[in-house]
Amino acid sequence: EVQLLESGGGLVQPGGSLRLSCAASGFSFSSYAMSWVRQAPGKGLEWVSGINYSGGSTYYADSVKGRFTISRDNSKNTLYLQLNSLRAEDTAVYYCATVTTVTTLRSDYWGQGTLVTVSS
Amino acid sequence: QPVLTQPPSASGTPGQRVTLSCSGSSSNIGSNTVNWYQQLPGTAPKLLIYSNNQRPSGVPDRFSASKSGTSASLAISGLQSEDEADYYCASWDDSQNGSGAFGGGTKLTVL
Repeated sequence: EVQLLESGGGLVQPGGSLRLSCAASGFSFSSYAMSWVRQAPGKGLEWVSGINYSGGSTYYADSVKGRFTISRDNSKNTLYLQLNSLRAEDTAVYYCATVTTVTTLRSDYWGQGTLVTVSS
Repeated sequence: QPVLTQPPSASGTPGQRVTLSCSGSSSNIGSNTVNWYQQLPGTAPKLLIYSNNQRPSGVPDRFSASKSGTSASLAISGLQSEDEADYYCASWDDSQNGSGAFGGGTKLTVL
């Protein structure tokens, strides 16, 4: 059974940092591209970042470029998202998801999400 | 503002057929495939349609989709109460260095 388990969310002050993790199991993690998608409270889905299967190619939404960094450790079957210089508008549930390739946006599997709250 | 445009709400009665629209541009829907996601309250999104019109296994054939030019649509026939959810279209956008794009979502109410 495919499982994606996000962790690392929480309350952080504006300007602060967090690192989100997404532990994958039940599939060949190193063969899949991955992405992060977020959803602000009561709002729609927003694509945040994507990474190819090897980690050699990364993509970011303009809203997070220069502040967030996506990475992966295929030896640990884990996806990461480093969030720096956080702003109130980054408050959201962050989902990790598999993607067939980054540019297809076809996500068959999703985690349950982890909540990031940016507030003083 | 979302790159892809969806009407914020739609409604239908049980058994009815409803169609949800998604409008984009030449840099996204016009040159890339479209996926559709269903999100029930309090849950993660679920893939409903991929590659414009393909259903993953387990998705009922009541759900169908199409793409034409820079627009796409999702049709739900034989509407059921459990179809009440938010529906999102998604497509890659080739502008600048490329990025993912979701529509703002359509909240479907089954009356």
